[in-house]
Amino acid sequence: DAGVIQSPRHEVTEMGQEVTLRCKPISGHDYLFWYRQTMMRGLELLIYFNNNVPIDDSGMPEDRFSAKMPNASFSTLKIQPSEPRDSAVYFCASRSGTYQPQHFGDGTRLSIL
Amino acid sequence: AQTVTQSQPEMSVQEAETVTLSCTYDTSENNYYLFWYKQPPSRQMILVIRQEAYKQQNATENRFSVNFQKAAKSFSLKISDSQLGDTAMYFCAFMKIGNYKLTFGKGTLLTVNP
Repeated sequence: DAGVIQSPRHEVTEMGQEVTLRCKPISGHDYLFWYRQTMMRGLELLIYFNNNVPIDDSGMPEDRFSAKMPNASFSTLKIQPSEPRDSAVYFCASRSGTYQPQHFGDGTRLSIL
Repeated sequence: AQTVTQSQPEMSVQEAETVTLSCTYDTSENNYYLFWYKQPPSRQMILVIRQEAYKQQNATENRFSVNFQKAAKSFSLKISDSQLGDTAMYFCAFMKIGNYKLTFGKGTLLTVNP
């Protein structure tokens, strides 16, 4: 079975540019999560969706961050405009139902210069 | 709010030996799950093992086992017969049933030496 697929694996861009991270969850999973990992703050939940609907976005740091899930097989996390402090590894995870664990993608390492 | 504490930022072990990673958590909930995730240098987050709080029996997955002490709010991971491929960052995580959020500890970097 294919796991959670994230793209790109690495992204390097200049401050002020728009960044779009992509995620394809495992087929049949109805929950999707976006995390950010930094040395200082560890793993932080940014937002999660249930059946394509955003349920909790309280972890989104600023209005510069937005996330969408137009269908069950695709989600994006967008940063506009990007800043150097957004540099981190961004993970997408998905799960099926209430009692199953989350399965993570390989992450996108984002570097904002 | 729940908190998860991993008091050992780094540990090392010789190949084939046994090592135990510590995790404590703070919660007022009675029904929850606990997890150990492994993050090798390749950056993947891999589920190692999980424990349901209502189960008294400690979970086991091959060389990995946990010591779950609910009253003490302790959830340690034991790795037996350590292998070089076990070198990774290990994260302990808590999930309240019905909440869906995972709360992670800061992680323990485990190095297995040949």
